[in-house]
Amino acid sequence: IAGITQAPTSQILAAGRRMTLRCTQDMRHNAMYWYRQDLGLGLRLIHYSNTAGTTGKGEVPDGYSVSRANTDDFPLTLASAVPSQTSVYFCASSFGTDTDTQYFGPGTRLTVL
Amino acid sequence: GQNIDQPTEMTATEGAIVQINCTYQTSGFNGLFWYQQHAGEAPTFLSYNVLDGLEEKGRFSSFLSRSKGYSYLLLKELQMKDSASYLCAVISNDYKLSFGAGTTVTVRA
Repeated sequence: IAGITQAPTSQILAAGRRMTLRCTQDMRHNAMYWYRQDLGLGLRLIHYSNTAGTTGKGEVPDGYSVSRANTDDFPLTLASAVPSQTSVYFCASSFGTDTDTQYFGPGTRLTVL
Repeated sequence: GQNIDQPTEMTATEGAIVQINCTYQTSGFNGLFWYQQHAGEAPTFLSYNVLDGLEEKGRFSSFLSRSKGYSYLLLKELQMKDSASYLCAVISNDYKLSFGAGTTVTVRA
């Protein structure tokens, strides 16, 4: 692995189903982030983790949960998907938590029907 | 909340110069990033400004005026591969990135 990866690349999901989006980085970055990107709204922060074992809420956390059991992995879970969660989801990581550059994964395109 | 404004779309000719403006009103300021995002791909880092002035990197330059809450990204000698969205993002007091909606630049031959 080089950099940051996400899985799946795309997914179509029935409303009410549970879904976990996976994110893994091999850069030994301390901080990780989940964003959603919707047309005309730009990237919005869902949840973040400053270091393994800690998580925090971003701008649009409702309906999503995260965990950070180790440095490399930061999964995002939709407990019961709704159509408004149709979006492109990007995971990102940075070495530090202040002004360090964030590096983005390739994204997951999720459609909830 | 944070307010970051940039134009929705711009069109320019190959070889020309384009300037993408970004204005922001945020809770504090700890730096401004520009990212490039090609359609269907991840955003990639272009530049970071924290002090007033111009930062030049090859064909791309970024300018910041903190007193005016203003930045621009200057793309010179435009190439077809520069057709992309350009995202302005500000780090506010909570050290979280807030993004503008992005500016889609189309380069015509």
